Amino acid sequence: AQRVTQPEKLLSVFKGAPVELKCNYSYSGSPELFWYVQYSRQRLQLLLRHISRESIKGFTADLNKGETSFHLKKPFAQEEDSAMYYCALSLPWGLTGGGNKLTFGTGTQLKVEL
Amino acid sequence: EPEVTQTPSHQVTQMGQEVILRCVPISNHLYFYWYRQILGQKVEFLVSFYNNEISEKSEIFDDQFSVERPDGSNFTLKIRSTKLEDSAMYFCASYSSRGADTQYFGPGTRLTVL
Repeated sequence: AQRVTQPEKLLSVFKGAPVELKCNYSYSGSPELFWYVQYSRQRLQLLLRHISRESIKGFTADLNKGETSFHLKKPFAQEEDSAMYYCALSLPWGLTGGGNKLTFGTGTQLKVEL
Repeated sequence: EPEVTQTPSHQVTQMGQEVILRCVPISNHLYFYWYRQILGQKVEFLVSFYNNEISEKSEIFDDQFSVERPDGSNFTLKIRSTKLEDSAMYFCASYSSRGADTQYFGPGTRLTVL
């Protein structure tokens, strides 16, 4: 079964410092990887997905199939980045008969201090 | 921007009682999901629903759980006889179709079983 691991429950950085939120996955095929963010008292929302290869709010994430990782990075943390970040995986479409459930990691709370 | 809505935001019930959690997915979406998050734990998949039937369900989704799309707009999760361990945040999500879109999450219903 697929699994997503986020080793850090809490990551505290100073404003302007670089951020790296770690995510490793276990799945033998080619999954889709996502980062979701949950700001205080708000819903889960997609931050980025690996197939888009885009930068959202200054965040990027590169899928490393050799290391089975999808770490989230930002060169300069901002106070408004403080939130809960979840890495998630879904299987290639059609493999499970449709539906594409998301498998989440345990999340990392990012705290950006002034 | 259209959003997934969920009601109620908080439900308190006695053990053994039935509860129905309601969701209104985004109107042109075809795939619907329920996830739950026990306090301090990760978001877990419960069930996916497409074309008026369950497409996938997890081990958690036992006979006490059922889903329904009764009227073409609402998507409900029923727990027949609640247990203490059902206390969690329940998230509904919807997804338009395969391809470049993503799952959109509702704000969640906090279920407290006493």
